[in-house]
Amino acid sequence: SQTIHQWPATLVQPVGSPLSLECTVEGTSNPNLYWYRQAAGRGLQLLFYSVGIGQISSEVPQNLSASRPQDRQFILSSKKLLLSDSGFYLCAWSGGPEAFFGQGTRLTVV
Amino acid sequence: AQSVTQLGSHVSVSEGALVLLRCNYSSSVPPYLFWYVQYPNQGLQLLLKYTTGATLVKGINGFEAEFKKSETSFHLTKPSAHMSDAAEYFCAVTRMDSSYKLIFGSGTRLLVRP
Repeated sequence: SQTIHQWPATLVQPVGSPLSLECTVEGTSNPNLYWYRQAAGRGLQLLFYSVGIGQISSEVPQNLSASRPQDRQFILSSKKLLLSDSGFYLCAWSGGPEAFFGQGTRLTVV
Repeated sequence: AQSVTQLGSHVSVSEGALVLLRCNYSSSVPPYLFWYVQYPNQGLQLLLKYTTGATLVKGINGFEAEFKKSETSFHLTKPSAHMSDAAEYFCAVTRMDSSYKLIFGSGTRLLVRP
């Protein structure tokens, strides 16, 4: 069966520090991969998606970037965090219409 | 462009009462529709989905939803609420292309009173 791992679960980072969140999927090949952000009291905003290695599409202009160095690995990064980057970050994968989500990372920028 | 509107950011019901969470969508092509549930500080779990075929779809935990094209709606219902149903519920839409990008509504928090 397929599983998705996302870490860390929580992270507190100072403003201006770098960020790296990692997501890996097991039990499937060539999945679509996604990064979503959920701000407090708001819905989910799609940040990036990838349909293959090295193929990254950005949905909104922002301080973040994504990379897919391997088929089942998706990384969300920032060179310098802003206060507004705080939120709940969710990685997801799909092999068809429905998506399956990781447990999320709670990022607090202080 | 596709979009989803969930009416009511908070819905409160008594235990044993009917649960009705509303979702309306906008799509220029036949949509795929989903309901997800999120418990505090956790990821999203798929409750049910509509892709093609029967318009009344059943999901986990006794939930069901009906796709009504004429009303562009996909409301979520459950005949009898349990305390364990308290969570946030998200309606989402996507279309059949290679990206399968999900567009989410803003969510509805369901409160269940004893």
